[in-house]
Amino acid sequence: DQQVKQNSPSLSVQEGRISILNCDYTNSMFDYFLWYKKYPAEGPTFLISISSIKDKNEDGRFTVFLNKSAKHLSLHIVPSQPGDSAVYFCAARVSGTYKYIFGTGTRLKVLA
Amino acid sequence: DSGVTQTPKHLITATGQRVTLRCSPRSGDLSVYWYQQSLDQGLQFLIQYYNGEERAKGNILERFSAQQFPDLHSELNLSSLELGDSALYFCASSPTLTGELFFGEGSRLTVL
Repeated sequence: DQQVKQNSPSLSVQEGRISILNCDYTNSMFDYFLWYKKYPAEGPTFLISISSIKDKNEDGRFTVFLNKSAKHLSLHIVPSQPGDSAVYFCAARVSGTYKYIFGTGTRLKVLA
Repeated sequence: DSGVTQTPKHLITATGQRVTLRCSPRSGDLSVYWYQQSLDQGLQFLIQYYNGEERAKGNILERFSAQQFPDLHSELNLSSLELGDSALYFCASSPTLTGELFFGEGSRLTVL
């Protein structure tokens, strides 16, 4: 079964501190991982991605880490801002296919 | 604005009925994806088309069908509707077969 899990449904962080969102996957047949952010009444928007051949990718305040041995993906946001408050989905692409499997999302609240 | 247009934004119908959801991808994008998001669930992959051809299939029910037309817009047909079909249905497009997805705002279906 190709599963992507986000075990924390919600997370609260103080403004200026680090937000760490986690994602675990149960299948080694993923070759590409992505994070999406979703505001209410909007569709998800792409945030950052990482190939399975890398272990880190950085874009401004956002860094994604991939630990293949642990089948674990994390998104770090530093420093966190109130505008980062949203639902964050991790997604994984099944190797050799066009299927992207999404997690259930983590709702991040950044407190001012 | 992602450039992906979905209509209708909201739809209320009764059990046993049939509805059609429409998606216009971003200009130039050949690939269209359909996802279903039920309450507190992640985005469940339904189906993907590339330039008019079906390329990947997820957990799409037999009561559901989709197609992509020559002008690249796509329609998702849901028939014999059940209460459990109430969900947000997202369409996403991508410029390539395997690339980041650009999501529309979703069509919220309520089955009474």
